[in-house]
Amino acid sequence: EAGVAQSPRYKIIEKRQSVAFWCNPISGHATLYWYQQILGQGPKLLIQFQNNGVVDDSQLPKDRFSAERLKGVDSTLKIQPAKLEDSAVYLCASSDGGVAGEKLFFGSGTQLSVL
Amino acid sequence: SQQGEEDPQALSIQEGENATMNCSYKTSINNLQWYRQNSGRGLVHLILIRSNEREKHSGRLRVTLDTSKKSSSLLITASRAADTASYFCATAGGYQKVTFGIGTKLQVIP
Repeated sequence: EAGVAQSPRYKIIEKRQSVAFWCNPISGHATLYWYQQILGQGPKLLIQFQNNGVVDDSQLPKDRFSAERLKGVDSTLKIQPAKLEDSAVYLCASSDGGVAGEKLFFGSGTQLSVL
Repeated sequence: SQQGEEDPQALSIQEGENATMNCSYKTSINNLQWYRQNSGRGLVHLILIRSNEREKHSGRLRVTLDTSKKSSSLLITASRAADTASYFCATAGGYQKVTFGIGTKLQVIP
């Protein structure tokens, strides 16, 4: 089966610019996650969708970050305006759900550098 | 916020030796998972242990879970150079929220 697709693979922008990342989860996976991974740290959950509804966005900096999941499939994560501290790898993951939480399948990530 | 905390943060061993990584967490969980991340790549799921299980095996991997101590350990037996990677524990709570620890960086020297 096809894995989680993310694009772009790399992005370099200047601070105060905007950027968008795209994710296509595994077909049929109801749950989609966006994580931010700063170099040397573990992934930090930004937002979690169940179909096209938000389950958890408690750690999403909502003054600059936004995310949507139209029709419960693809998702985009946007940063506007970007700050230097947003430099990180942005990982998308999906799972086929279940009450207890099952294993996550990750994309290759988008490495963002903010100059 | 990070739920799990791995120990040690870095580990260097010789090929053929066993590697043990520990994870402690703070809140109740439905299950605990371990993932591997090779440099610059996405995370790969290794093994999942449910809150009512105490031990699980998968190939050269052995995971234990002690819910009374809120801790887990991952043992990799007969390590290989290809096992060099970062290893993360992740806890799954309500609503399928999956929270990762800070990771253990494992280096296996040939």
